[in-house]
Amino acid sequence: GNSVTQMEGPVTLSEEAFLTINCTYTATGYPSLFWYVQYPGEGLQLLLKATKADDKGSNKGFEATYRKETTSFHLEKGSVQVSDSAVYFCALSPAQGGSEKLVFGKGTKLTVNP
Amino acid sequence: KAGVTQTPRYLIKTRGQQVTLSCSPISGHRSVSWYQQTPGQGLQFLFEYFSETQRNKGNFPGRFSGRQFSNSRSEMNVSTLELGDSALYLCASSFLAGPARELFFGEGSRLTVL
Repeated sequence: GNSVTQMEGPVTLSEEAFLTINCTYTATGYPSLFWYVQYPGEGLQLLLKATKADDKGSNKGFEATYRKETTSFHLEKGSVQVSDSAVYFCALSPAQGGSEKLVFGKGTKLTVNP
Repeated sequence: KAGVTQTPRYLIKTRGQQVTLSCSPISGHRSVSWYQQTPGQGLQFLFEYFSETQRNKGNFPGRFSGRQFSNSRSEMNVSTLELGDSALYLCASSFLAGPARELFFGEGSRLTVL
């Protein structure tokens, strides 16, 4: 079946540090891949996405590249800010079925200290 | 443009009762999905509706049901509540159906079952 595995948190960094949150997936075919972010007390927001191999999604300084050969979609940011503190979810949407169904990882809580 | 609105935001029920949660999607969005979020299981897909038709259903017991109205508003119902149903229930909407579409999430309805 389809599944997403992302690194366990929590992750604590100092402001301006480099961030990597690992995400690997299991799926048939070519799923679409997403990173969603959940700020405290809010719903999820789409951060970035990639729909085919070697695509790079980017937004707000965050980047992730769809790697078919390693079935990965790691999230990176060169210099984090306190405002990036949130829970980050990696997710996939299966390639078949035309469905909106998302399969999520467990989430990684990031805390950025000033 | 108003976002996805979920009501009520918080509710407390006792075992054996039933509950109905409501979701108003972004204006013009025809697809509505529901997810359950718990600390142990993370985010799990419940159902997806498009133009009043259930397109997909997750692996939840029959106590969980939903529907969508002609104005795209959606409700989900949980009958015979169990302690394990305590969770944040998130609704998401999108304009079209399809695996790569961005989902817009509401802030959720937090259900506590005592």
